[in-house]
Amino acid sequence: EAQVTQNPRYLITVTGKKLTVTCSQNMNHEYMSWYRQDPGLGLRQIYYSMNVEVTDKGDVPEGYKVSRKEKRNFPLILESPSPNQTSLYFCASHPSAGVRTGELFFGEGSRLTVL
Amino acid sequence: AQKITQTQPGMFVQEKEAVTLDCTYDTSDQSYGLFWYKQPSSGEMIFLIYQGSYDEQNATEGRYSLNFQKARKSANLVISASQLGDSAMYFCAMREPLRGGATNKLIFGTGTLLAVQP
Repeated sequence: EAQVTQNPRYLITVTGKKLTVTCSQNMNHEYMSWYRQDPGLGLRQIYYSMNVEVTDKGDVPEGYKVSRKEKRNFPLILESPSPNQTSLYFCASHPSAGVRTGELFFGEGSRLTVL
Repeated sequence: AQKITQTQPGMFVQEKEAVTLDCTYDTSDQSYGLFWYKQPSSGEMIFLIYQGSYDEQNATEGRYSLNFQKARKSANLVISASQLGDSAMYFCAMREPLRGGATNKLIFGTGTLLAVQP
């Protein structure tokens, strides 16, 4: 089954304790990205990757890091989480730019609370 | 800058009736894509429908149709024969044009919470 898998789905942590949210896709997609969803703001892109070892900042990258060492994996790293990073996080993937619709395939979301 | 506006924070509709969720967009590009996603209370994002800026016909997918008015820059979602399972948050989104080096980022609106009443 084609899917994007995120872990953990739910996490409560404390300020300053490093954490990683993993993301894996089995569709051989080139593009992967991370979004955060906050009430009244919709979804905003944090980071994206166009292929292995190619990453760049989205609209709200502060406080986050990513890596793309393998095509299927795109972890999101919070080196020193703060309460303003409490949010619902989505990983998404997409095949190459030649595909007509450009539909993003989303993971199920990871709800993070930073105390 | 590209922007998506959804002016209806919440809406009610009676079961079996049709409902229109509004979406307007702002872009200076000629080539773009418009999407609608559904987010039920469980949180996942479900793709509903896509409209390309050069598509001459309005997109339809089952009970979902997209009322695309390019001159007005609107891309309203129409759900026919509403069902209780349609109760969810609905997001309109626009994709940045696919050109060299594009991020394929989706720009989302703030969403409309739809409640279907029996």
